[in-house]
Amino acid sequence: DQQVKQNSPSLSVQEGRISILNCDYTNSMFDYFLWYKKYPAEGPTFLISISSIKDKNEDGRFTVFLNKSAKHLSLHIVPSQPGDSAVYFCAASYRDDKIIFGKGTRLHILP
Amino acid sequence: SQTIHQWPATLVQPVGSPLSLECTVEGTSNPNLYWYRQAAGRGLQLLFYSIGIDQISSEVPQNLSASRPQDRQFILSSKKLLLSDSGFYLCAWSPKGKGGTEAFFGQGTRLTVV
Repeated sequence: DQQVKQNSPSLSVQEGRISILNCDYTNSMFDYFLWYKKYPAEGPTFLISISSIKDKNEDGRFTVFLNKSAKHLSLHIVPSQPGDSAVYFCAASYRDDKIIFGKGTRLHILP
Repeated sequence: SQTIHQWPATLVQPVGSPLSLECTVEGTSNPNLYWYRQAAGRGLQLLFYSIGIDQISSEVPQNLSASRPQDRQFILSSKKLLLSDSGFYLCAWSPKGKGGTEAFFGQGTRLTVV
């Protein structure tokens, strides 16, 4: 049973436009959500996180939105840049416990 | 600063051979440690999770085992590899007691079972 779901395997966005990556979760006990970026043959790197007590967190071009009632979060990247092309993983954790990842979304930034 | 080392970077092993992947963390103590596997179409699958020495949780039934002989050392093993064990294995750590924090990953090991 997948507790963290990323239903879009891939997404293509024009350079300069907004990229929106979506994530759904099933466990209402999750209290911390994270986004990671991964290039091929490398370990994932942390991008941005959000606590369940917030609904928005912004860091430069990256903003994460959390809708607890819908058990949904999204990552917005604006403006999208060529270096943003990578696989993005959504993850969730509960009280400093294990971190569960989604299957990832491959983002292609088109020139 | 904290660093995580994982080796080897690539490994080609025959079916039925044993496996040992090692991960060590520096610059922190009593971390949570993780082994993940990235296989095609399956994202980052949590294999093992450890909150302390000899305290390891297995998340999925499989042909693998994990051990934590020292506080900052995490080992992934198998007695007999299967073809389905091929994948990209990632070790990670997270600090304890912060009520929600990110995990920091090693560079990964590409395992090909032939």
